[in-house]
Amino acid sequence: QVHLVQSGAEVKKPGASVKVSCKTSGYTFTTYNIHWVRQAPGQGFEWMGIIDPNGHSTRHSQSFQDRVTMTTDTSTTTVYMELSSLRSEDTAVYYCARGPPVYSDNSGIDYWGQGTLVTVSS
Amino acid sequence: DVVMTQSPLSLPVTLGQPASISCRSSQGLVYSDGNTYLNWFQQRPGQSPRRLIYKVSNRDSGVPDRFSASGSGTEFTLKINRVEAEDVAIYYCMQGTHWPPTFGGGTKVEIK
Repeated sequence: QVHLVQSGAEVKKPGASVKVSCKTSGYTFTTYNIHWVRQAPGQGFEWMGIIDPNGHSTRHSQSFQDRVTMTTDTSTTTVYMELSSLRSEDTAVYYCARGPPVYSDNSGIDYWGQGTLVTVSS
Repeated sequence: DVVMTQSPLSLPVTLGQPASISCRSSQGLVYSDGNTYLNWFQQRPGQSPRRLIYKVSNRDSGVPDRFSASGSGTEFTLKINRVEAEDVAIYYCMQGTHWPPTFGGGTKVEIK
């Protein structure tokens, strides 16, 4: 059974950085890409980026190009997303979600993590 | 980016009655492999999204058969045959054909 388990809620001050982890299990880690998507309070979904499981390639939304860093650790089947220069508008639930197989270039999503609430407040 | 437009925004339904949600894309969603990567997700209050439907009309494992979906081109529909209390949620369409993936704004299904 596929599971994506994320790290706990964070409270950060404006200008700080936050790093969210996503521990995967139930499938062969190196065969699927991982997306990061966020959802601001009461809002819809905003795609942030995607990383291949070996960490060799990433693709980012232009909205986050300079502030988001995604990495992977194949030894622990964990994916990380770090967002820097936080501002109040970054307050949201951040989700990791399993993407397409590594051999496919579509942008689909199937399984989601439980979400990590990041609150940015002075 | 491909814009996904859902309607209605809110859908009050009587228990046992059908419900229908529409999703329209600003571009066609057929991928180079011939598949159409249009998904439907259910997000219950306080939960993360759960995929119900993939590639337009395929139900995921464990999804009740009262959920069905159809569509082609730029017009897609999710139907709930007889709404149950556990179906109270926000439903989102999402296209995974073009980059970046984009989501509809959501339809809130509630009991009348």
